[in-house]
Amino acid sequence: QKEVEQDPGPLSVPEGAIVSLNCTYSNSAFQYFMWYRQYSRKGPELLMYTYSSGNKEDGRFTAQVDKSSKYISLFIRDSQPSDSATYLCAMSRAGNNRKLIWGLGTSLAVNP
Amino acid sequence: GAVVSQHPSRVICKSGTSVKIECRSLDFQATTMFWYRQFPKKSLMLMATSNEGSKATYEQGVEKDKFLINHASLTLSTLTVTSAHPEDSSFYICSARDHAKSSYNEQFFGPGTRLTVL
Repeated sequence: QKEVEQDPGPLSVPEGAIVSLNCTYSNSAFQYFMWYRQYSRKGPELLMYTYSSGNKEDGRFTAQVDKSSKYISLFIRDSQPSDSATYLCAMSRAGNNRKLIWGLGTSLAVNP
Repeated sequence: GAVVSQHPSRVICKSGTSVKIECRSLDFQATTMFWYRQFPKKSLMLMATSNEGSKATYEQGVEKDKFLINHASLTLSTLTVTSAHPEDSSFYICSARDHAKSSYNEQFFGPGTRLTVL
């Protein structure tokens, strides 16, 4: 079993839809949770990070962490064609310089 | 803030040559930088963790003599692919942690380098 599971998609939605992206994990020691967005042939860009459980909102993006279920989510409201990209979840244990454990990434296409 | 650059963005070389890729943190100090490799439609594969002033820590299965990493300053790390072969063709991405934000483990990524070995 992989430490982090993420459905690679592809996911295709119409413009304006609410998008839900998810990852599950098996290591209960993970404390830091991140979502990155990667456009084709570019490096990943940090979108959201959270520590431990709870919600975090930034504009159209909301990140949720449910440690009891070992489940994290990223919601995108009012999705735009420019949101079309691959979204990768990443997480790590507490402590400095812990390496990130990555999901496979979910490919999202928002159709105008 | 938290900008990371990579150079070159794309390189094509002949088999057997060596290629150096630079990773720079432009507006912060990075005691730790990471080197990743990414195959098409695949996730990031961590190759090594580079700490300023010390030897890099390589992941299992990564040949340290083939992928030489140097992290000589708080803003620069280099990856040299020695005696490159076609199977080394890939997208290489570096990332850096912000030294000032020691509470978090988020990494900031460079734009990547596309290496093609003929």
